[in-house]
Amino acid sequence: SQELEQSPQSLIVQEGKNLTINCTSSKTLYGLYWYKQKYGEGLIFLMMLQKGGEEKSHEKITAKLDEKKQQSSLHITASQPSHAGIYLCGADRTWDSNYQLIWGAGTKLIIKP
Amino acid sequence: DSGVTQTPKHLITATGQRVTLRCSPRSGDLSVYWYQQSLDQGLQFLIQYYNGEERAKGNILERFSAQQFPDLHSELNLSSLELGDSALYFCASSVGGKGYTGELFFGEGSRLTVL
Repeated sequence: SQELEQSPQSLIVQEGKNLTINCTSSKTLYGLYWYKQKYGEGLIFLMMLQKGGEEKSHEKITAKLDEKKQQSSLHITASQPSHAGIYLCGADRTWDSNYQLIWGAGTKLIIKP
Repeated sequence: DSGVTQTPKHLITATGQRVTLRCSPRSGDLSVYWYQQSLDQGLQFLIQYYNGEERAKGNILERFSAQQFPDLHSELNLSSLELGDSALYFCASSVGGKGYTGELFFGEGSRLTVL
């Protein structure tokens, strides 16, 4: 199984509805990142969380970090067609004497008009 | 626009061939990362360079090699290509330095198809 598990794998949501995507780590979380990818394009940084209990917002997207559960959640309020895409979480892992990102498999979000 | 430029955008080649993917990082960024994205493996870290020096190696095959030049652009060389090498190859850049990865700026990727 993956070190970073994302759920659900895919999500179809009616426009205007709220939704939540989860990212759970099997190891201690240091930096936790959320990125968005449109099909066949590059990833766009959304936000980074570092401390337990930390919560950040970007427009209608809010992410929280629960250090004890080793989990982060991404919540979208009043979804819009522009929110459609693939959401990936990444986590810093010690790698040699530095850090590298490992990634979840992604959550594909479709917004129904 | 992330400021990271990758060429070519698409590449179709045959098994056994060799290709070179090129990346120009965002102005001022010293770190360049290469990632491979495929349907079965997801996004995998290949290699990182920082200011011309290799900093970390990930799941990069021996048939693959990379370098970062004095002007900070980077090239990923893939040789003896196999069908399984078909994937989207991303370059990302960051300011770099020690510590957490921080925000990465991704290029739009080079889609490689091996026939």
